[in-house]
Amino acid sequence: AQSVTQLGSHVSVSEGALVLLRCNYSSSVPPYLFWYVQYPNQGLQLLLKYTTGATLVKGINGFEAEFKKSETSFHLTKPSAHMSDAAEYFCAVFAGSNTGKLIFGQGTTLQVKP
Amino acid sequence: KAGVTQTPRYLIKTRGQQVTLSCSPISGHRSVSWYQQTPGQGLQFLFEYFSETQRNKGNFPGRFSGRQFSNSRSEMNVSTLELGDSALYLCASSLVPGGGTDTQYFGPGTRLTVL
Repeated sequence: AQSVTQLGSHVSVSEGALVLLRCNYSSSVPPYLFWYVQYPNQGLQLLLKYTTGATLVKGINGFEAEFKKSETSFHLTKPSAHMSDAAEYFCAVFAGSNTGKLIFGQGTTLQVKP
Repeated sequence: KAGVTQTPRYLIKTRGQQVTLSCSPISGHRSVSWYQQTPGQGLQFLFEYFSETQRNKGNFPGRFSGRQFSNSRSEMNVSTLELGDSALYLCASSLVPGGGTDTQYFGPGTRLTVL
């Protein structure tokens, strides 16, 4: 069965610092992986996704993630944090066409300090 | 192109009542999925519809039901509301079912409060 673990429910960085949000997955099949962002009182916005091919995936707003099969990880990074990056971030794995669902991690709240 | 829309955005109900939430997918998208988001349980899959047929269902009681219309719009219904049903209900649409390589686009959600 597929599962997702996000390490750290809260991450705090200074503006301009590196952002690193950790995600580990478990999947019995080649995974499709996603990062979504949720701003207060809003829905989920897709940042990036990995399906097949290049393991370094670039997304919107300067974010990128690297798929590492050997480590079963899909960590999200951004070289320089902006105040506008403060939000909750969710890592998700597609659970297979027989279920049709995304399985989400518990989320990581990113705080950006001035 | 307009995004996924959900109505209403906020809803307050009392225990025992029933509620219907609506979701209009992105134009051309035929698959609609519903998720419940709570602080304790996080994001949990409710069900998925494609071409007016429920393809998959999550682990929720029968009080939770849904349907999809021929124009791909979807509704979900919760009967006999309980306090624990208070949550943000998110709808997501995609071109095809399954949500694998195809991206699921989420709406802003309906915030349901049960008193």
